[in-house]
Amino acid sequence: EAQVTQNPRYLITVTGKKLTVTCSQNMNHEYMSWYRQDPGLGLRQIYYSMNVEVTDKGDVPEGYKVSRKEKRNFPLILESPSPNQTSLYFCASSPLAGDEQFFGPGTRLTVL
Amino acid sequence: AQSVTQLGSHVSVSEGALVLLRCNYSSSVPPYLFWYVQYPNQGLQLLLKYTSAATLVKGINGFEAEFKKSETSFHLTKPSAHMSDAAEYFCAVSDLGSGGGADGLTFGKGTHLIIQP
Repeated sequence: EAQVTQNPRYLITVTGKKLTVTCSQNMNHEYMSWYRQDPGLGLRQIYYSMNVEVTDKGDVPEGYKVSRKEKRNFPLILESPSPNQTSLYFCASSPLAGDEQFFGPGTRLTVL
Repeated sequence: AQSVTQLGSHVSVSEGALVLLRCNYSSSVPPYLFWYVQYPNQGLQLLLKYTSAATLVKGINGFEAEFKKSETSFHLTKPSAHMSDAAEYFCAVSDLGSGGGADGLTFGKGTHLIIQP
């Protein structure tokens, strides 16, 4: 089944404790992206990747890192999480930048 | 740069009534336009997309949207609402149609559709 998977689905952590949210797609897509969703703000792009080893900042990159060492994986790293990063995070992929994106199920992160 | 405005953060309709969710976009180039639906505790799922072919686009679950360049709009409609349509709906735009799209899709803030029995 073609899909985007994210892990974990739910995470509660404390300020300053480094964490990684994994994202993997099995559709051989070139383009991958991370969003955060907050009430009243819609989806805001954090980082995106046009291809392996090519990443770029989105609209809200502060406090986040990403890597794209393999085509299928695009992990999101929070080196020192803070409470304002409490949010619902989505990973997405598409065959071509700007085309239909396929979304993962989301990761709900709470930073205490 | 593109932008999307969805009029109404919450829309309430009765079961069986017409659903109309409004989306206006701003783009300096011919856009690609998308509507996504998000059911509770799930990711986003594509309803339909406009890619500069037919201006009336039909999607899944009986939804359709019409691209109106003169009004810079891409409103989503469904003739008869079902209880199962209750969800969050997002409109999105990209400039893939003009060879752009590197920064992906720009989303509106979403409209929560409430269906009254």
